[in-house]
Amino acid sequence: GAVVSQHPSRVICKSGTSVKIECRSLDFQATTMFWYRQFPKQSLMLMATSNEGSKATYEQGVEKDKFLINHASLTLSTLTVTSAHPEDSSFYICSARPTGGTGFTGALETQYFGPGTRLLVL
Amino acid sequence: AQKITQTQPGMFVQEKEAVTLDCTYDTSDPSYGLFWYKQPSSGEMIFLIYQGSYDQQNATEGRYSLNFQKARKSANLVISASQLGDSAMYFCAMREVYNFNKFYFGSGTKLNVKP
Repeated sequence: GAVVSQHPSRVICKSGTSVKIECRSLDFQATTMFWYRQFPKQSLMLMATSNEGSKATYEQGVEKDKFLINHASLTLSTLTVTSAHPEDSSFYICSARPTGGTGFTGALETQYFGPGTRLLVL
Repeated sequence: AQKITQTQPGMFVQEKEAVTLDCTYDTSDPSYGLFWYKQPSSGEMIFLIYQGSYDQQNATEGRYSLNFQKARKSANLVISASQLGDSAMYFCAMREVYNFNKFYFGSGTKLNVKP
């Protein structure tokens, strides 16, 4: 159980175009999903927290208008990189926390990660 | 201050031996959770083990165990009987009760298992 999918797994696009990445929780509901960015050989950097039915919460330094997040249902969040440029090339990973996990009662408190999307902007 | 510190950028271990990956954390929250994830070269993040701050016993999951020393604020991952498939990046992470949705990740440790 607790599978999260991401689509596409790899995308190459031209500079100036927009790219949409989907994150789906396949066998559980997720009120909250997270979007991370990871540069080669570095740790994950949280970009934003996506909340179903409300606006995403962005981390400091992350451009809201650049990285549009939509959490339309309890199983789907999308990240759109608008007007992508080569510096946006990175590995983007989403994660989802199962709805209903409260406090620190066990492994339910973890987040489950998607397989990631490698974005290359030419 | 860094919330999660992993001081070993890279580690080598002989196959079938045990290895300890270090993790220290910094928090003033009364309740928090500590996690370890494995990231193979394919990029996916695999959840390994979890320790709650109020758990009396160290967490164990198969060959993985977490050596939790609360007073020292350390949460080291111990992998017993290393296998070649254990070669990967390992990340320690923490969640705090007062910042419930945010996971803090360490910089990671690259583990190489030698045959």
